[in-house]
Amino acid sequence: DAKTTQPPSMDCAEGRAANLPCNHSTISGNEYVYWYRQIHSQGPQYIIHGLKNNETNEMASLIITEDRKSSTLILPHATLRDTAVYYCIVRVVTGNQFYFGTGTSLTVIP
Amino acid sequence: ETGVTQSPTHLIKTRGQQVTLRCSSQSGHNTVSWYQQALGQGPQFIFQYYREEENGRGNFPPRFSGLQFPNYSSELNVNALELDDSALYLCASSLALGQSTDTQYFGPGTRLTVL
Repeated sequence: DAKTTQPPSMDCAEGRAANLPCNHSTISGNEYVYWYRQIHSQGPQYIIHGLKNNETNEMASLIITEDRKSSTLILPHATLRDTAVYYCIVRVVTGNQFYFGTGTSLTVIP
Repeated sequence: ETGVTQSPTHLIKTRGQQVTLRCSSQSGHNTVSWYQQALGQGPQFIFQYYREEENGRGNFPPRFSGLQFPNYSSELNVNALELDDSALYLCASSLALGQSTDTQYFGPGTRLTVL
């Protein structure tokens, strides 16, 4: 039920942009793309979400392709504290549950 | 800090026992969802409560049950504990308006160990 595919792990140099891809080729028109991250067994932390348009907030940017079959989460200047597991999730607007996959383990290297 | 709190932080039980986990939702939120996260896996949806009624359930047996109170806090009860119930239990609160559910904000979790 996860409906998303992410690479299992990625590395990024500190201070560089981290670009985390997500494939959601079966996404429907009424489904949002959400991103959360989880730092070492803490509760997942909300990052950003979007439907069709690109979105930006103080934490990250979300780029959604025109066909909506994939998206990229961008952390513009990665720090060591961004080391975490990042989850990409699709959710129906009226849905009441998130289906988490296994996410991408991002390691920021000094 | 999300304003979602959970208790206890850690818990050790033996097989066959019963356990109750508690969650206080963020101020203004009327919906609580519970998730189970086994080691190395993503969180798995257990169920959701909206205005004291169950509003969706994942693939978990009936020995997983819950309650939501008038102040929107919630409990997760697990009966007849099994070794595989050892996991991090997460609750998330959100605001549901009509049929639309807003972003879920997670608490820090309760680590349950079943021996």
